Order: sequence, then structure tokens, then C-alpha cells
Amino acid sequence: EIVLTQSPVTLSLSPGERATLSCRASQSISSFLAWYQQKPGQAPRLLIYDASSRATGIPSRFSGSGSGTDFTLTISSLVPVDFAVYYCQHRNTWPPLFTFGPGTKVDI
Amino acid sequence: QVQLVESGGGVVQPGKSLRLSCAAPRFAFSDYAMYWVRQAPGKGLEWVAFISYDGNNKFYADSVKGRFTISRDSSNATLFLHLNSLRAEDTALYYCARDFGRRYTTFYFGSWGQGTLVTVSS
Repeated sequence: EIVLTQSPVTLSLSPGERATLSCRASQSISSFLAWYQQKPGQAPRLLIYDASSRATGIPSRFSGSGSGTDFTLTISSLVPVDFAVYYCQHRNTWPPLFTFGPGTKVDI
Repeated sequence: QVQLVESGGGVVQPGKSLRLSCAAPRFAFSDYAMYWVRQAPGKGLEWVAFISYDGNNKFYADSVKGRFTISRDSSNATLFLHLNSLRAEDTALYYCARDFGRRYTTFYFGSWGQGTLVTVSS
């Protein structure tokens, strides 16, 4: 079973700063990784899939990178609406099994 | 904007059953794989169940296998989750989600409903 670890647990930044979030897999997962954003009281939203592809309508300040076991979500310049919890997620192709990381909270 | 509307949550005693529904009236429901994902209060996300676009393939997290059943009614564009033998640890907000890909399954959660809360308590 693949385990995802996210760091840091909390990232305290200011608007305009760059945010770098890490997700590490317990074994190689190729590029089968996604990132989601969740704001309080809202459902998650898909940001990045296949490690580096932005989902429809996601601003270009969000970018993903990595493969194998180490992945990064970068927010180039934070705006107030970006303060949220971010989860990484792995998908095993077959059988379909899915794992989420514990999340990183980005706050002011 | 994709609309997924969950319903059926509530307070239920341990050992009892519940059926959740997710209405998806405004897109080509039959073209998409669907999922249930849950989130315990104040906790992270946990995938619960998967069903293929045609309903022929179903998979479950180990924590619910043998107790929960996912199904779909394509004629009514509705996804279901039958929850049996409920436990306190099943208490969570249950989201339905649509696969990111149409007619090909990406195994990523592309669109989400707002969730329905299940509370298991005596």
C-alpha cells in the first residue's frame, strides 16, 4: 500500500509570496499524482493531475512537478483566495485504489 | 458548471443502514466513472468507492469492503451508496465525485458535490 506524506503540515505565508508544498510517496508512483485545494466549508477542487498538468480553469500561478517519489506543488505568488488546505492524491490504475496525503494548510 | 447533489445523510445508530444518493442531471452521466469520497469532521480525505462508467466494475476501500455498496442508475443520472453495518468511525461528510475524463477514466476526481453528512451515534 502506497503512503503519501505531505510537508510541511502548515505553511504560514503572506500574499505575494511563493508557496512550495511537498508530497512524498512511499514507493515510486511514476507521475500518477494529483493536487486538490479545499477551502473551509467547501468541497475539494482538482488543481493538478498527472503531476504537472493543470486542470481546466486553474490559474497559471499553480504548477506541479516531480515524478517517482517526490512531488511539488508551487504557487508562484499567493493571492488571498489561495489560503486553503492542499491534498495530494495517488491513483493506482488497476485495480482502482486511491490514496490521499494528510494535507498542508497554507495560511497567513 | 457540473452539478452533483448529494442527499440521504443523517443520524443513524451503530449497526444500522443508510442509502446516499447523488443526483447528476446536467451532464452525460453514462460517460463518466464516479466515486464516493468521505471526510471525517476536522480530518482529511478518504476514498470510499469507485464505479466504472458502465457500472460493470466496482471497487472499495478496505475500511468499507463488505459493508458498503456503490451503484448507479444511468436512466435517472443518479449515483448511490448503500451503507450497512454502520460504525462510529463511518461518521463523515460523504462527497460524490465525477471522474476528470469523459469516456476515458483518468482516476482523478474532477468535480465534486457539496457532500451529505452521516453521523453514526447511539
